[in-house]
Amino acid sequence: DTAVSQTPKYLVTQMGNDKSIKCEQNLGHDTMYWYKQDSKKFLKIMFSYNNKELIINETVPNRFSPKSPDKAHLNLHINSLELGDSAVYFCASSPTVTSTDTQYFGPGTRLTVL
Amino acid sequence: TQLLEQSPQFLSIQEGENLTVYCNSSSVFSSLQWYRQEPGEGPVLLVTVVTGGEVKKLKRLTFQFGDARKDSSLHITAAQPGDTGLYLCAGARAGNMLTFGGGTRLMVKP
Repeated sequence: DTAVSQTPKYLVTQMGNDKSIKCEQNLGHDTMYWYKQDSKKFLKIMFSYNNKELIINETVPNRFSPKSPDKAHLNLHINSLELGDSAVYFCASSPTVTSTDTQYFGPGTRLTVL
Repeated sequence: TQLLEQSPQFLSIQEGENLTVYCNSSSVFSSLQWYRQEPGEGPVLLVTVVTGGEVKKLKRLTFQFGDARKDSSLHITAAQPGDTGLYLCAGARAGNMLTFGGGTRLMVKP
């Protein structure tokens, strides 16, 4: 009965590879997000989707491409992985885009690029 | 760019002590949220403050939003080892976009 789930939990890959991280929420929320947390624990928004449509892209390299097949899923595809992409990636969801709505975070995916 | 400065970055105290974590910005946010993050997990919301001057209490935790809605504080009374963790403040803007502070890593020793 996990609210926001991500797969995989850990991802180790070589530079230059392409990889995807999946996110699913069973809360019936309209809005989903991707965040990146670096090694110093700084958490930064990457994308926001509302009802399957991209509403915010925070100056993320175009190697990162989010895809929302339906309202409950927001996947993150990363092309040509670089060392600097190593981080923990969190998916989150909220009922709407209202700024007082609680965001529920997934458990994170730790990506290591070698 | 809207930034949130969170201080202190690290705090190590003895059980029973009080502490305050600060979150400051030059920007106004629609709301200010406080999260706690455990190792290997995602952040979990503790509280959301919306109105300038608002004070909310959650057991031994007291949260305050500044009158100008630019800064906030988290005060913990009689800290316990179970309070150990990473505390994050986040300001919300249009589209429920969260700007996070750098975090405060709290360790409470028994």
